[in-house]
Amino acid sequence: ILNVEQSPQSLHVQEGDSTNFTCSFPSSNFYALHWYRWETAKSPEALFVMTLNGDEKKKGRISATLNTKEGYSYLYIKGSQPEDSATYLCAFLRSNYQLIWGAGTKLIIKP
Amino acid sequence: EPEVTQTPSHQVTQMGQEVILRCVPISNHLYFYWYRQILGQKVEFLVSFYNNEISEKSEIFDDQFSVERPDGSNFTLKIRSTKLEDSAMYFCASCTGPGSYGYTFGSGTRLTVV
Repeated sequence: ILNVEQSPQSLHVQEGDSTNFTCSFPSSNFYALHWYRWETAKSPEALFVMTLNGDEKKKGRISATLNTKEGYSYLYIKGSQPEDSATYLCAFLRSNYQLIWGAGTKLIIKP
Repeated sequence: EPEVTQTPSHQVTQMGQEVILRCVPISNHLYFYWYRQILGQKVEFLVSFYNNEISEKSEIFDDQFSVERPDGSNFTLKIRSTKLEDSAMYFCASCTGPGSYGYTFGSGTRLTVV
């Protein structure tokens, strides 16, 4: 069974604090790992596409790491701001190009 | 910045009726997808489309579903005879190459079957 797990399901973080969450995925037939940011009433927005084991990508205060051998990726947010409040989705792209989604981590930043 | 546009934003239909959801992907993108999210559940893959044909479809995408790219710009999802359980948010997405680039999603069509 192909499953992508994200933890935690939801997270409340104080403004200014840093945080991270996890995406676990199957380690076989790996092609890429996508991270998306999804704000309420908007469409998912691509943050990162990661393909190589050990890859680390950064976009402003947000960064992500990838371990394809053990099947996990971490997303880090440094110095959280209210505008970071969103659901963060990861998706595992199989070698047949089918994207399998996690359920997301809902991040709420408290001012 | 280029966008994927979807219409309508909300569609209410009676059970058993046909619906067509429309999408205009980004013009230089080559891969097109439909996904859906039933309220409170995970995003689910429906179908991928490349080179004017379906490249992959999920078990959800049964004979009641079809996709078309009738004129080189629109990408449509048709549900022939809607069921209550088809109520969901339907997202269209496109990309230039799924391995290297993230997908660009439309803002979705909320389908409500009554």
